[in-house]
Amino acid sequence: GESVGLHLPTLSVQEGDNSIINCAYSNSASDYFIWYKQESGKGPQFIIDIRSNMDKRQGQRVTVLLNKTVKHLSLQIAATQPGDSAVYFCADSWGGTSYGKLTFGQGTILTVHP
Amino acid sequence: DGGITQSPKYLFRKEGQNVTLSCEQNLNHDAMYWYRQDPGQGLRLIYYSQIVNDFQKGDIAEGYSVSREKKESFPLTVTSAQKNPTAFYLCASSIGDGGGNNEQFFGPGTRLTVL
Repeated sequence: GESVGLHLPTLSVQEGDNSIINCAYSNSASDYFIWYKQESGKGPQFIIDIRSNMDKRQGQRVTVLLNKTVKHLSLQIAATQPGDSAVYFCADSWGGTSYGKLTFGQGTILTVHP
Repeated sequence: DGGITQSPKYLFRKEGQNVTLSCEQNLNHDAMYWYRQDPGQGLRLIYYSQIVNDFQKGDIAEGYSVSREKKESFPLTVTSAQKNPTAFYLCASSIGDGGGNNEQFFGPGTRLTVL
């Protein structure tokens, strides 16, 4: 992904629904992918990560899917709750930047309605 | 308690003044980063440092300067040359050991308002 200074896309869901947030990345050499959640006025928090040797990884209520063929990453949140309302960012990196430099996507605003 | 601290949380400055934002980490991480975030937008990389006494420009370094004299500290100076400095500034760190885990840990941010 690449942050280009545009306003963020939004996703509105009802409490209890499943949410899917999508992200496209551009570097076919990327081998590490990560999702962050950012609540208003706070720093981003780690949600889940995945390496390029996997295509799916599950956490608590969250699943990340990686499709390297089309350079696409998605975050699925099961049984979405009002506390999940936040901005979600994907990011990727590749082995050439071993110190951990990430390229961030533009982010998606998730709003969960009670 | 391990983590990253940024201070202050809110900062107000007059136009034309330089201001320095603090970032400290006790995670023993080698790599540190500064990002700028404008309202409703994503993260843009200002500067990063792979190791003590070394740092590199990111995508929007103009009008900013950094130093990395100690492993745990990576202060950012917003100079008067920065044309639009009002923003939310985030500091982050990562292990940086080349082991493939490139998770960055973020501080709580500093909101800078230039009057």
